[in-house]
Amino acid sequence: NAGVTQTPKFRILKIGQSMTLQCTQDMNHNYMYWYRQDPGMGLKLIYYSVGAGITDKGEVPNGYNVSRSTTEDFPLRLELAAPSQTSVYFCASSYRQGNEKLFFGSGTQLSVL
Amino acid sequence: GDSVTQMEGPVTLSEEAFLTINCTYTATGYPSLFWYVQYPGEGLQLLLKATKADDKGSNKGFEATYRKETTSFHLEKGSVQVSDSAVYFCALGGSTDKLIFGTGTRLQVFP
Repeated sequence: NAGVTQTPKFRILKIGQSMTLQCTQDMNHNYMYWYRQDPGMGLKLIYYSVGAGITDKGEVPNGYNVSRSTTEDFPLRLELAAPSQTSVYFCASSYRQGNEKLFFGSGTQLSVL
Repeated sequence: GDSVTQMEGPVTLSEEAFLTINCTYTATGYPSLFWYVQYPGEGLQLLLKATKADDKGSNKGFEATYRKETTSFHLEKGSVQVSDSAVYFCALGGSTDKLIFGTGTRLQVFP
């Protein structure tokens, strides 16, 4: 019953550092998503994937990269961290299209100082 | 393009009070509508959904009716509890592969 698992839960980065946020799901879902949540701004879609080997940009992709080599894993890469990337990041998955029920991970709180 | 507008929070209520959180949408076609809830320190989870006009979604005492004529999907609960304190998100599933979320409404319930 793991569902969607994100690691780490918290991270502090210095400006210019790089890191990868990990996301894995054990429900055999085709669709996976990365969102960021800024205070009072709701959720913004960063990248999404409709299956292994296929990724596409969302609303706010700049400064991020993703890959989808397997159905289970969908890591998010920050190459040169900037203070504007301070946010809470959520990974989500769904079996079919994104207009169906999404299953969310518990989030990663990232601070860039 | 498609969009969702929610009332701003926080909404502060006493236990057993009636709750309404307003949500309106703009979309082409006939989208599915959702309410998600986020408890402190957790990810979002689906609370209820409706897929066509006049459908009523319900769960845990919460209800919302898909009103096409007013393009609304307001969330209601007759008697809130302290444990309902959370952030509530209205969302729209249109013709694409992605959900569109509102900005969220924080609910605080006091004993």
